[in-house]
Order: sequence, then C-alpha cells, then structure tokens
Amino acid sequence: SAVISQKPSRDICQRGTSLTIQCQVDSQVTMMFWYRQQPGQSLTLIATANQGSEATYESGFVIDKFPISRPNLTFSTLTVSNMSPEDSSIYLCSVVSYEAQETQYFGPGTRLLVL
Amino acid sequence: EDKVVQSPLSLVVHEGDTVTLNCSYEVTNFRSLLWYKQEKKAPTFLFMLTSSGIEKKSGRLSSILDKKELSSILNITATQTGDSAIYLCAVNAQGGSEKLVFGKGTKLTVNP
Repeated sequence: SAVISQKPSRDICQRGTSLTIQCQVDSQVTMMFWYRQQPGQSLTLIATANQGSEATYESGFVIDKFPISRPNLTFSTLTVSNMSPEDSSIYLCSVVSYEAQETQYFGPGTRLLVL
Repeated sequence: EDKVVQSPLSLVVHEGDTVTLNCSYEVTNFRSLLWYKQEKKAPTFLFMLTSSGIEKKSGRLSSILDKKELSSILNITATQTGDSAIYLCAVNAQGGSEKLVFGKGTKLTVNP
C-alpha cells in the first residue's frame, strides 16, 4: 500500500490562529480525503480533496473554515482556520490508490490541541 | 441517513480469550464494508468485505459479511495484549465516491 506521511504530527495552537496540515503520499493516488476525529468519537469525513479543483465538502463543513488544496496526485493540505477549542481533534488524511480501489489507507494523523 | 452501529462499545477480556465484535449498517448503495484497527492515531486496514458468506482471515483475525442481515463480525482468537485497540467498522455506501461512513468503534482491552 501507499506510504502516507502527515506534518505536523501534533501541535498546540492558540484560539483564533490557523494551522495547515500537509499530507504527502509516495505514489500517485486516485482519491484523497480528510477526516476529523474528535475526542472519544469516531471518524467524520470533512471533504474529498479534488486534484486541481475545489474540494467537495460534507454537510456541516465549509471551505472558509477548512480550506483544502490538492495541487497534484500525491499531495494535499488542510487548513483549520480561526481555531477554537472545539477544533481540538485528530485530523487524518486517507487515500485510495490505483492498485487497491475501494480500500482507504490512512496517514499517521495530526493531533491538534487548541487552547 | 447512512448509519453504522458497532457493539459492544467496549470490551475487557483476558489474554487467550476469543472475542467477537459486531457491526450492523443501514445504508443506501452498499459497496463494501471495511474493518480497521486504531491503536494511537492512524487506523490500520484489516479487511474489506464485499460478498456475503466469504470469510476473510489474517492470522488470528477473521471477518465475515452477512448482506441479508446487514451485518458483519470480526473475530479475534487467542487474544494478546497487543490486540488492545479500538476496532472501527466502516461502510462504503455512496457508489463510486468511495466515501466511508464509520461506526463509533469497539474499544478492546486485553489484560494479561
């Protein structure tokens, strides 16, 4: 399976600031997704990162709060904007590769704490 | 609304025990069901199931799908402390978009 890295692995931020999380894959993938996992909760899909175009957001998530870029087939960023303590979560990117359609593999995650 | 329900939510066993984790779903356009193991942050892929009645097996772990009952089970035999984790069930339910709907997970604790 594809090797996925995320940066940063963790961060502590002040409310009102923004943080950009990077997701890098070692091979081209068909699809990339961003998920959020709030404390004690399961994974919730934020958006599908579309290569070269605007991301597709799920209900309850908006571009102004979570701008996403995907400039090519191996890289994506998620920005958490104007953060509040409620944004404290683990943020995960996942990918679907050409070799294993329908199976999503997850990056190592970014643990974010907003004070 | 698509829904995935896992039970039990938590389970504490002793090493050597066998456990069965349950996952049921109510979704439109079912494509596949996936099991993941989450120990720290990243869920690691265990199985993908698409057909009823065909068991997938990997070492002490096995899983099977029942499309008639809209459910799946994950079995772990001869549990070890390293099996302690949250086990997540997810369903690919949007036919072509690859979006996954996750259950809340089962937290398994294996005591020595």
